Amino acid sequence: EPEVTQTPSHQVTQMGQEVILRCVPISNHLYFYWYRQILGQKVEFLVSFYNNEISEKSEIFDDQFSVERPDGSNFTLKIRSTKLEDSAMYFCASSEALRGSEAFFGQGTRLTVV
Amino acid sequence: GDSVTQMEGPVTLSEEAFLTINCTYTATGYPSLFWYVQYPGEGLQLLLKATKADDKGSNKGFEATYRKETTSFHLEKGSVQVSDSAVYFCALTSGGSNYKLTFGKGTLLTVNP
Repeated sequence: EPEVTQTPSHQVTQMGQEVILRCVPISNHLYFYWYRQILGQKVEFLVSFYNNEISEKSEIFDDQFSVERPDGSNFTLKIRSTKLEDSAMYFCASSEALRGSEAFFGQGTRLTVV
Repeated sequence: GDSVTQMEGPVTLSEEAFLTINCTYTATGYPSLFWYVQYPGEGLQLLLKATKADDKGSNKGFEATYRKETTSFHLEKGSVQVSDSAVYFCALTSGGSNYKLTFGKGTLLTVNP
């Protein structure tokens, strides 16, 4: 069964450092997303991406964040200068279409900023 | 804005007990409603969905009915198993945004043998 793959599963970084979280969406999917879940809190939408551009982003997704699909298979989330409050589980997801279609999620990357 | 409220956990049940996890929502337009499940160490998986009022989503013995009049989408299972132990998330996508899922906080279910 096709699946969304995320790497690494756990990343520890020092405050102020840049991190790149990587995702390989399902190959025939067109829509890509990043969500995050701070420990004990809701899963929150960060950004959606379609046709090589951002479709929608939340207020969380400020200038410190960027996304890219560099090579047609990977989908990355970059945090330029990490803060302690960026510590969370980050989920990548992809879907074939929009309304009502299933979003398939990866297993998540746990980011710990120290 | 859109929001989802689900019952606080954790929920602990014995095997074969009846399960209800309540979920209510606020949304613009006519949302699609989802239940996602996260098993230990795994990602979020779609459990079931309903895209219009009075639809019933079902999968693996779980059911939820889209109730527009009460803005609810409660998850039920008649007889839970130990393997159902997981975190369950209610979520929606609404007419205001076709792209993003709005999640509830999640409910941890533990089923004891």
